[in-house]
Amino acid sequence: GQNIDQPTEMTATEGAIVQINCTYQTSGFNGLFWYQQHAGEAPTFLSYNVLDGLEEKGRFSSFLSRSKGYSYLLLKELQMKDSASYLCAVRVLNAGNMLTFGGGTRLMVKP
Amino acid sequence: GAGVSQSPSNKVTEKGKDVELRCDPISGHTALYWYRQSLGQGLEFLIYFQGNSAPDKSGLPSDRFSAERTGGSVSTLTIQRTQQEDSAVYLCASSLAAASTDEQYFGPGTRLTVT
Repeated sequence: GQNIDQPTEMTATEGAIVQINCTYQTSGFNGLFWYQQHAGEAPTFLSYNVLDGLEEKGRFSSFLSRSKGYSYLLLKELQMKDSASYLCAVRVLNAGNMLTFGGGTRLMVKP
Repeated sequence: GAGVSQSPSNKVTEKGKDVELRCDPISGHTALYWYRQSLGQGLEFLIYFQGNSAPDKSGLPSDRFSAERTGGSVSTLTIQRTQQEDSAVYLCASSLAAASTDEQYFGPGTRLTVT
């Protein structure tokens, strides 16, 4: 099976930068996704990495190192609306197209 | 067009009753997924459909759970003889196809409470 770990909670200040880490142990890695989920709402897609390196998309960037089984989501210029849970999910080969999710990191942005 | 929709949004049922949850995927999306999210937990994969077939049912927690999809569109997840541990938010997602780069779009979920 897969094992995906991410911190349970983080707190950061408005305007700052925060990095949310995700480590995974899996065989047949076939991509890593980050989703944002506001309380009581559906998860929404943020980023997808399948090759090593950094993917930048506006204030959000995601990094992947396949050899280390490690990814991070970087949020810059934090806004109050960024307070949400951030879910790391891994897709593996020969497992249909299912995503295996970590427990999520609840980020609280304070003024 | 519209996003993924699910009904009902909330369902309270008594232990032992059967419930049926519905998912309408985005039009044209051939792949459909069911997940559940217990309070404060991550998402747990249940089952996915490519068209009307479900190649992988291994995520279903017990034989009380079943799902079907007809016409390559709407899907229903049925839980028979509900138990309190079935209480969770049941999320449906769809994607264009079951390809590795296809983003999954999630519906708002059905919050199931078994009393």
